[in-house]
Amino acid sequence: AQKVTQAQTEISVVEKEDVTLDCVYETRDTTYYLFWYKQPPSGELVFLIRRNSFDEQNEISGRYSWNFQKSTSSFNFTITASQVVDSAVYFCALKDNTGTASKLTFGTGTRLQVTL
Amino acid sequence: GAVVSQHPSWVICKSGTSVKIECRSLDFQATTMFWYRQFPKQSLMLMATSNEGSKATYEQGVEKDKFLINHASLTLSTLTVTSAHPEDSSFYICSAREAIHEQYFGPGTRLTVT
Repeated sequence: AQKVTQAQTEISVVEKEDVTLDCVYETRDTTYYLFWYKQPPSGELVFLIRRNSFDEQNEISGRYSWNFQKSTSSFNFTITASQVVDSAVYFCALKDNTGTASKLTFGTGTRLQVTL
Repeated sequence: GAVVSQHPSWVICKSGTSVKIECRSLDFQATTMFWYRQFPKQSLMLMATSNEGSKATYEQGVEKDKFLINHASLTLSTLTVTSAHPEDSSFYICSAREAIHEQYFGPGTRLTVT
């Protein structure tokens, strides 16, 4: 069975601080996909990144960066110089590679509060 | 990017009545659509997976007779909550898959049952 663990329930930082959101996953599959989504107060999920299990290169997109460590089954997300607009719930998710039957398994989410 | 819409965005209904929520893929054809439920401060829980033209596959613990899902076309899926009760109050989110890895989420529907 697949499982995604986001141990940090809530994080509060002051604007301009860097913050890392942890994600640890479990799967028996050798091919799988990892995702991060942002859910602002409006509720709509915003896709941030997808990474497949064969691509362990870290990725940077503006103030966002992701660290994929297959050896520790982790896919951590770092926001550099956080801003108030980053306040949201962030979900890490895992999808297997069973074709059309594959489903997303979500972590419990980390609520990030960025204050002035 | 691909857009998924949901209607209504919020609805209040009385206990015992039924409510229908629509999910549409606006600019792509979705062979597979998913329905999730999210209680306050909790994660998204998959309720069912529906493929166009066939019966939905429900997750364990989800009552198929209570949550009726219809996926009649490649751009429309509906979720009907029958005989709604206050415990069904939740945020319902649909998602549509265009290709194996591209899955897009709707904005959600907030259901309140009084």
